[in-house]
Amino acid sequence: DIQMTQSPSSLSASVGDRVTITCQASQDISNNLNWYQQKPGKAPKLLINDASNLETGVPSRFSGSGSGTDFSFTISSLQPEDIATYYCQQYANLPITFGQGTRLEIK
Amino acid sequence: QVQLQESGPGLVKPSETLSLTCTVSAVSISSYYWSWIRQPPGKGLEYIGYIYYSGSINYNPSLKSRVTISVDTSKNQFSLKLTSVTAADTAVYFCARYSRWFDPWGQGALVTVSS
Repeated sequence: DIQMTQSPSSLSASVGDRVTITCQASQDISNNLNWYQQKPGKAPKLLINDASNLETGVPSRFSGSGSGTDFSFTISSLQPEDIATYYCQQYANLPITFGQGTRLEIK
Repeated sequence: QVQLQESGPGLVKPSETLSLTCTVSAVSISSYYWSWIRQPPGKGLEYIGYIYYSGSINYNPSLKSRVTISVDTSKNQFSLKLTSVTAADTAVYFCARYSRWFDPWGQGALVTVSS
């Protein structure tokens, strides 16, 4: 199985801050990586597919980049409604695997 | 828009079989792949498996010996069965459409394994 390691596991930041989460794959997955946002008690929501493609309707302050084994997810200016847990997910190899999640809090 | 809704018992006894159904609306179930993902309380997401209406199926090897996913095109539904459950199978179970990514998702169904 491909292991997906997210960093950090939790993060506290202030409104307006630039926030970056990283996701490292245990082997080359090209750009076969997606990012999700999950708010408490809700289902995950797809934000970015294929490493860098922003889903329709998702605010432009969210972005993704990377290829191979190293990926990043950035919120350019943190908003209160961005409080959530964020997950990366690879589909390059079966079984599909997720990162362990990054919990984002407001300072 | 496409919507998914999980249904099934919220409480299952240890060693018994967990059964859930996902009802899909606004799109034919024959047009896409459909999947199950679970999330134990306070933990991360675990892929269970996916199915295509024609019978193409993939299961997570960690659960493969206990999992069956099936599709009912006449009802526009797909289902999950997990046998010989233990407390470790207590989780919120999500159904989702799969096309390299999971979108959209159902709201999730909490299944507790307890006697």
